[in-house]
Amino acid sequence: EAGVAQSPRYKIIEKRQSVAFWCNPISGHATLYWYQQILGQGPKLLIQFQNNGVVDDSQLPKDRFSAERLKGVDSTLKIQPAKLEDSAVYLCASSFLVSDTEAFFGQGTRLTVV
Amino acid sequence: GQQVMQIPQYQHVQEGEDFTTYCNSSTTLSNIQWYKQRPGGHPVFLIQLVKSGEVKKQKRLTFQFGEAKKNSSLHITATQTTDVGTYFCAAANAGGTSYGKLTFGQGTILTVHP
Repeated sequence: EAGVAQSPRYKIIEKRQSVAFWCNPISGHATLYWYQQILGQGPKLLIQFQNNGVVDDSQLPKDRFSAERLKGVDSTLKIQPAKLEDSAVYLCASSFLVSDTEAFFGQGTRLTVV
Repeated sequence: GQQVMQIPQYQHVQEGEDFTTYCNSSTTLSNIQWYKQRPGGHPVFLIQLVKSGEVKKQKRLTFQFGEAKKNSSLHITATQTTDVGTYFCAAANAGGTSYGKLTFGQGTILTVHP
């Protein structure tokens, strides 16, 4: 079974620039999560989708972050404009159902904002 | 919103000693999951607890879910150097508008000295 695919693996941008991350979940998984993990901290949930509907986006900074999951499969997370404090690893995960089964994580995208 | 507290933040042990990390939620949970993240890696699922008072074992690892479904613990017997990493609990909401939201604790960083 193929795992969760994320790209790019690494990205360096200047502050105020925009960036986009892509995630392809495991086939058949209804739930998709985007987490932000700052070095030394636990993953912080940014947005959780079930199919193409949003379960929770209460911690998504909506003035600069946006996410979509078209057709309930792939998802993109965008930051525009980026700030220094956005430097983190962005993890995408998917699970078969709504958090009542294990979440499978991708390798993550390490973002550095300079 | 839901808060998930995990203690201790760090634990340094000698190989062969035991290790325990605790997770507490401000709200009743649908289930709790435990993940391990190796340095430079992504979180990997260990186990899920669903029932009040549930205890599960995986070799040297013992997981417990509290009677009120608000707290959990992970205990490792006779640690080995391969146990090194950060252990996270992840709590799934039992109800409300964000049913199924998966929130991670801050994690416990375990180092094992040979």
